[in-house]
Amino acid sequence: AQRVTQPEKLLSVFKGAPVELKCNYSYSGSPELFWYVQYSRQRLQLLLRHISRESIKGFTADLNKGETSFHLKKPFAQEEDSAMYYCALSEYNQGGKLIFGQGTELSVKP
Amino acid sequence: DAGVTQSPTHLIKTRGQQVTLRCSPKSGHDTVSWYQQALGQGPQFIFQYYEEEERQRGNFPDRFSGHQFPNYSSELNVNALLLGDSALYLCASSLLVGTEAYEQYFGPGTRLTVT
Repeated sequence: AQRVTQPEKLLSVFKGAPVELKCNYSYSGSPELFWYVQYSRQRLQLLLRHISRESIKGFTADLNKGETSFHLKKPFAQEEDSAMYYCALSEYNQGGKLIFGQGTELSVKP
Repeated sequence: DAGVTQSPTHLIKTRGQQVTLRCSPKSGHDTVSWYQQALGQGPQFIFQYYEEEERQRGNFPDRFSGHQFPNYSSELNVNALLLGDSALYLCASSLLVGTEAYEQYFGPGTRLTVT
């Protein structure tokens, strides 16, 4: 079954601390993995995708096919990082549907 | 460019009624996808439209139907509403070139409440 699992509903850290948001997936084909973010009162937006291998706002994510994981990391959290984060996947290069996890709310305290 | 726009913002309907939600894609985009997001859950894919045809469909009953117009805008119709249809409905647009996936841009959503 195609599935994305984000085990933590809420992750609370202090400013300057490292943060890791976990994402595991189950998919039989060749997936493309994404992280989407939703800041308060804003729309859902793409944060990064594994094929671009970019670092956006200090966040990175590495696709580990052996562990079927795509964890999102940032070495030093900022208060403005507080938001809902969704991990998602789609079939590679098919321009098709996104399968989302349940989301993790990140709260960065001062 | 206002990006993806959706209307209405909020809607309250009664069980058994029918509802139509509308979406205008980001300028230059030709593909529209619809998602249902229940409270506390991630978005769930309903279907995707390209060239006025349903290209992909998720695991939703036939009560959910859609349409895409020549100007790429789209409608989502839900018949015989159930209480469980209460959710935020998101529209996302993208540009499809062959099969290459370009970024999906999301709208602000329509909040549907079924009483």
